Formats: sequence, structure tokens, C-alpha cells
Amino acid sequence: NAGVTQTPKFRILKIGQSMTLQCTQDMNHNYMYWYRQDPGMGLKLIYYSVGAGITDKGEVPNGYNVSRSTTEDFPLRLELAAPSQTSVYFCASTDPDRAPNTEAFFGQGTRLTVV
Amino acid sequence: KQEVTQIPAALSVPEGENLVLNCSFTDSAIYNLQWFRQDPGKGLTSLLLIQSSQREQTSGRLNASLDKSSGRSTLYIAASQPGDSATYLCAVQYNDMRFGAGTRLTVKP
Repeated sequence: NAGVTQTPKFRILKIGQSMTLQCTQDMNHNYMYWYRQDPGMGLKLIYYSVGAGITDKGEVPNGYNVSRSTTEDFPLRLELAAPSQTSVYFCASTDPDRAPNTEAFFGQGTRLTVV
Repeated sequence: KQEVTQIPAALSVPEGENLVLNCSFTDSAIYNLQWFRQDPGKGLTSLLLIQSSQREQTSGRLNASLDKSSGRSTLYIAASQPGDSATYLCAVQYNDMRFGAGTRLTVKP
């Protein structure tokens, strides 16, 4: 049971480059999330999705885009990378409608550095 | 606006003490609340999940309570050990899922 898988684990980008962070889950969860965590800080919500074809902005969406074409995948796109996007990115999935099995599962994180 | 606050931001205790970490949230229409542990440079480890209809959950030396009407949850750690040193995060589940900033716990031998 793989859970939530994020790729890549590490990446260095140059300013202005673009990239896609991949996230896939095999638990058939409807809800998926992207967070960023800056050093010494908590997790800030970037985007989330409550089902295939549905996405919504979180607290810090600027500079990012997402899509949710399937239940399993929720990629995060960075366009025109900036140093302020240097952070650790976490993807998560859950399904709060399946009580009591509503635990949220997290990927291992992607450490991104923009230089 | 849904806000999640954790108090204290940092806590240092001698080994063996019992301690309480606090989490408060502004919108009580939650699905559930989950406590996580994060070690430096690592990912999140789930500790306890409390459904909105529950009052508490226990796992070993950990006990989490939930008072949804007042927007509060506490994580109680009994007989703390140096291995408990980590950052503890609470996450409140709505359609989105919001985190507090965490409590950084240090347990001194």
C-alpha cells in the first residue's frame, strides 16, 4: 500500500524556470491538498481539491496552479519560479466523508530550492 | 476566516513531566481534528485523530480531547521522554484542512 507518493524528493530550479510537482495516492480519497512549509514555520495551504475536476485556492495560491483530472493525481505547477518559492512542499489526501476512516495521509515532501 | 492557533509556540520541560499542548480554531463546523508530530527535516507522523462527534482519543501516553463548541483541543503527554522532543501540529479538517503553527517541544534528560 503506497499511500501518498510525491516526486521528486529534491529539486533545484533557476529563477524563471517552471516545473511540476507530482502527487499520486492509491486510497481512492476524494480530498487532496498541497502545502508549503518554510523553515521553522507551520504548513500553509496552497490549493486543494474535493474531487476530480474540482479545485480551490488555499491561503497562498499565487505563483502556483493545479489540476485534478483523476481521483489519484493532483499535480502542482510552478510557473516562473522565484526565490520566495524555496520551501518544502507536502501533498496530502483524505476523505472526511468516510468516518471513521478519515485520517489524512501525507507524502514525504519535496524540497525545492530556487536560485 | 478559518484560523488555527497553537499555544505555546515552544515548551521546554524536564524528563518525566506531564504536559499539555493547546490548539484552538475559529470555525467549529469541522469534520475532525488530527494531531501530528514532525521531527526536524522530516515529514509528518499522525498521532491521533478525533472525529467531530468524539470527545477524546488515547494512544499510549498520548490523550487528545476535543471541545468543538468552544473551538479547542488539547494534546496531553504523560511522563514525557527525550524522544518526545519534536514539533507538534494540529490540523483541523473542513473541506480544506488548516494547520496551526505548531508547538516545538524539548524534553531535557
